[in-house]
Amino acid sequence: DAMVIQNPRYQVTQFGKPVTLSCSQTLNHNVMYWYQQKSSQAPKLLFHYYDKDFNNEADTPDNFQSRRPNTSFCFLDIRSPGLGDAAMYLCATSSGGGTDTQYFGPGTRLTVL
Amino acid sequence: GENVEQHPSTLSVQEGDSAVIKCTYSDSASNYFPWYKQELGKRPQLIIDIRSNVGEKKDQRIAVTLNKTAKHFSLHITETQPEDSAVYFCAASIHSSASKIIFGSGTRLSIRP
Repeated sequence: DAMVIQNPRYQVTQFGKPVTLSCSQTLNHNVMYWYQQKSSQAPKLLFHYYDKDFNNEADTPDNFQSRRPNTSFCFLDIRSPGLGDAAMYLCATSSGGGTDTQYFGPGTRLTVL
Repeated sequence: GENVEQHPSTLSVQEGDSAVIKCTYSDSASNYFPWYKQELGKRPQLIIDIRSNVGEKKDQRIAVTLNKTAKHFSLHITETQPEDSAVYFCAASIHSSASKIIFGSGTRLSIRP
């Protein structure tokens, strides 16, 4: 009965080697979010989609891109990972229909070698 | 934009005692205030939320209070148990079709046996 699913749970990549993280949801929610969380810090919003409408945060580096091919799936692409991009990446969803509760996935822990 | 401050950053209480975590927000238009609990290596999970049309909400051992005039809201945990040990994040958002929530910096709560 998983509602927000992230794959893989752990990802190791090399410095500069592109990587893609995936998120899927069974809630049929309109909004999907990507957060970056580093140790002992709050989640930091990178961007979100309302349906197909993409909303980037002003301080999100260009190195981070996202795709949402359909309602259920959303991808985070890191074009050239640096050591500073090692973090937990959390996907979340919300209905966007007047209820603001966000439901988080289990996260993908990214290691950059 | 909205800014959420959270105190204390760490809190240690004796099992059975109460714990209180306090947050302030800056944008008077904020009207939704969720609290998330995050255990080590796991996803943030919503434990309670409050909307601006109420001043207090309670769910078993957890309660949240909101003072809109002072722009303060607090989490109260009574009769603390070891499983309450985690990082707690407050957040605030403005109701909209694709709400973003602004997180506080987090409180690491430790319950001493």
